[in-house]
Amino acid sequence: AQSVAQPEDQVNVAEGNPLTVKCTYSVSGNPYLFWYVQYPNRGLQFLLKYITGDNLVKGSYGFEAEFNKSQTSFHLKKPSALVSDSALYFCAVRDTDNAGNMLTFGGGTRLMVKP
Amino acid sequence: DAGITQSPRHKVTETGTPVTLRCHQTENHRYMYWYRQDPGHGLRLIHYSYGVKDTDKGEVSDGYSVSRSKTEDFLLTLESATSSQTSVYFCAISEFMGKGYEQYFGPGTRLTVT
Repeated sequence: AQSVAQPEDQVNVAEGNPLTVKCTYSVSGNPYLFWYVQYPNRGLQFLLKYITGDNLVKGSYGFEAEFNKSQTSFHLKKPSALVSDSALYFCAVRDTDNAGNMLTFGGGTRLMVKP
Repeated sequence: DAGITQSPRHKVTETGTPVTLRCHQTENHRYMYWYRQDPGHGLRLIHYSYGVKDTDKGEVSDGYSVSRSKTEDFLLTLESATSSQTSVYFCAISEFMGKGYEQYFGPGTRLTVT
């Protein structure tokens, strides 16, 4: 079984400040972890993924995420937020034993960046 | 959108009527998925396909059926629509990139059941 939790429905941050969007996961095997972003009235866009290797993963638009196995977390971060980063962010997980490549998504976190 | 189109993009239908949503991809991907998106629930998997005529159920498959008669098309059917099926429906494909598979999503279909 695989599951994801995004504990914050909304994160508010001022433009120029660092941002963190939290994600924790549960899998029976090893995790593949993903972050997606959704802008209004659009589909989901891939941001970054963790498969193996370095725990710090860099992705699109200056975002990065840190895989922490002991805390079963995969928090999304950006050093300096932009107003244009305001969107809905989804964390997703896939167990490496999942033959159908099926993802389980968290409930989403709305990021609001204020000028 | 990784060559994924969905049709229709918007639909309003009445309770009890059948509805079919279409997902079309142009890049010969083996894996295709149907999700629904509802506030507070993120995306939930309805059905997926791992090849022509090969499909399986996801987390929320009750009331839905799918068909895949050719690689490029994955159809989602609501046999008798209910108000609880009002949602935004996303199709996705899975593509091997770098060290692992990534899913890419279509633009979505907004379905309202009145």
